[in-house]
Amino acid sequence: EDQVTQSPEALRLQEGESSSLNCSYTVSGLRGLFWYRQDPGKGPEFLFTLYSAGEEKEKERLKATLTKKESFLHITAPKPEDSATYLCAVQASNFGNEKLTFGTGTRLTIIP
Amino acid sequence: DAGVIQSPRHEVTEMGQEVTLRCKPISGHNSLFWYRQTMMRGLELLIYFNNNVPIDDSGMPEDRFSAKMPNASFSTLKIQPSEPRDSAVYFCASSSGGLETQYFGPGTRLLVL
Repeated sequence: EDQVTQSPEALRLQEGESSSLNCSYTVSGLRGLFWYRQDPGKGPEFLFTLYSAGEEKEKERLKATLTKKESFLHITAPKPEDSATYLCAVQASNFGNEKLTFGTGTRLTIIP
Repeated sequence: DAGVIQSPRHEVTEMGQEVTLRCKPISGHNSLFWYRQTMMRGLELLIYFNNNVPIDDSGMPEDRFSAKMPNASFSTLKIQPSEPRDSAVYFCASSSGGLETQYFGPGTRLLVL
């Protein structure tokens, strides 16, 4: 069974204080790893897809990296508007499978 | 692009009542997903359709839950009878299929009293 574990559950940072969120996964062949951002009362918003170990993607203050067992979401010099819950999900490589298995998320709070 | 549309946004009902949640996917997308989100279990896939055909319903909790997709632009998730433990936020998402990005709707917040 595919499993995704995210840590920490919650993280409070001062504005400008860089840090990383972790996503560890167990999957029977990784097809893709996804990062989403979720604001309170809203649906998850897509950030990145990573396909293979060593891959990196960046968007503004966020950078996602991938190894064979985990992914990191690095946040550089965060601003209060980066406060949200960040979700990680994996898709296994079973033929025709489109199912995403999500972690429970990291709730990030950036203090001005 | 209107995005994924869900209705109602909020639903409060009493135990034993039938609840129907509705979803309109993004035009042109051929895969549709129903998820449930709770504090305890996070975001879980209930069922997904490809080209209106149910592909994986292994996440549907029990026979009280059913989902249909009569055409490419509409899907329903029905709970009958509803129970307090069904209280959660239900999300619909759609994609172009395969490894393509899933885009989520705003969700329906369900409270069963």
